[in-house]
Amino acid sequence: DSGVTQTPKHLITATGQRVTLRCSPRSGDLSVYWYQQSLDQGLQFLIHYYNGEERAKGNILERFSAQQFPDLHSELNLSSLELGDSALYFCASSVLGGLSTDTQYFGPGTRLTVL
Amino acid sequence: TQLLEQSPQFLSIQEGENLTVYCNSSSVFSSLQWYRQEPGEGPVLLVTVVTGGEVKKLKRLTFQFGDARKDSSLHITAAQPGDTGLYLCAGLPSGTYKYIFGTGTRLKVLA
Repeated sequence: DSGVTQTPKHLITATGQRVTLRCSPRSGDLSVYWYQQSLDQGLQFLIHYYNGEERAKGNILERFSAQQFPDLHSELNLSSLELGDSALYFCASSVLGGLSTDTQYFGPGTRLTVL
Repeated sequence: TQLLEQSPQFLSIQEGENLTVYCNSSSVFSSLQWYRQEPGEGPVLLVTVVTGGEVKKLKRLTFQFGDARKDSSLHITAAQPGDTGLYLCAGLPSGTYKYIFGTGTRLKVLA
């Protein structure tokens, strides 16, 4: 158990819909990262938040947005869903974020299926 | 575009054999991590290397960071079925906050 929690574990929805994925970082971690992993592919970095502020953005679609709240939990919002958005979405947290010695701890992921 | 290329993509070996997985890039990284991922689960960190030329050992696993901090290798000695999984390298390019993950090496160790 990494200490990072993600809800829900599974999500099945239809095209065009909007969903929210939730992540609670490890106690004391200030950074939260979101990744997308499609079938048989590596992890694609989406976005990084540090202490409530966006720190880095990857190849995140305009239909996707995220935020980190004052209690440090984070939400990833996916809207106008398409079949190609079906994937595993992982959240990771680290103490600071961006330091060479920082370690990312991954949550168990949310499996999103768009029908 | 910064890329981390892993090789081989797939590896199927017999128990007891040795293997090496490579992670290469043209970019310089301030650190590089190796993870192992089981199906349907999140990646689990195996090691972080920071210094060029650094070698770290974790039981039967040996990790090396290239002198120029552009590449890394993972060597497993006497592989066991429990080593089966997806191995991912990930790097933090110097001067950025964006972690880049490699394409992954899917290892299967047959008993």
